Amino acid sequence: AQTVTQSQPEMSVQEAETVTLSCTYDTSESDYYLFWYKQPPSRQMILVIRQEAYKQQNATENRFSVNFQKAAKSFSLKISDSQLGDAAMYFCAYSLAPGTYKYIFGTGTRLKVLA
Amino acid sequence: DSGVTQTPKHLITATGQRVTLRCSPRSGDLSVYWYQQSLDQGLQFLIQYYNGEERAKGNILERFSAQQFPDLHSELNLSSLELGDSALYFCASSVDTGGNYEQYFGPGTRLTVT
Repeated sequence: AQTVTQSQPEMSVQEAETVTLSCTYDTSESDYYLFWYKQPPSRQMILVIRQEAYKQQNATENRFSVNFQKAAKSFSLKISDSQLGDAAMYFCAYSLAPGTYKYIFGTGTRLKVLA
Repeated sequence: DSGVTQTPKHLITATGQRVTLRCSPRSGDLSVYWYQQSLDQGLQFLIQYYNGEERAKGNILERFSAQQFPDLHSELNLSSLELGDSALYFCASSVDTGGNYEQYFGPGTRLTVT
């Protein structure tokens, strides 16, 4: 069975610094998708970044980038130049390829940004 | 604003009661997903509908049911409510089914069972 593990319940980062959130997953599939979602205090779920497993190039979105290690089944999120607005719960999620629905979320990492 | 709407925002009810949560997907999205998020927990997938048909089931209790109507809005029905059903219930929508399509989440309905 597929699982997603976020081993860091909470992380802190100084404003303007860089922080990396860890995520590991377990699957026997070769074609799948990985996501990072942000949930601020408003509780709205916001997609931060996504990665297709067949792509070797790591996805980037402005200050957010991932380190995707397929063999190690690792999918970490790096936030550069952290801002106060980045404070939120961050969830890693896994999904199978088109046509088969299975969407699994990790338990989340709470990120605190210190001024 | 994701374009997904959920009503009501908050719901307080007593144990044993039945409630209905409503979700309107983004315009053009055919797929609707329901999730449950208990306090400080991750999201648990409950059920998915695609163009009116049930497509996938997750950890949905038998006391819970859902449907998607011809106008594509969806309702999640929760019955014989227990204290443990208190949670944030999210609806999400995507243009098509399958994991590669981005899901857009609504603001959630906070259910409190007393």
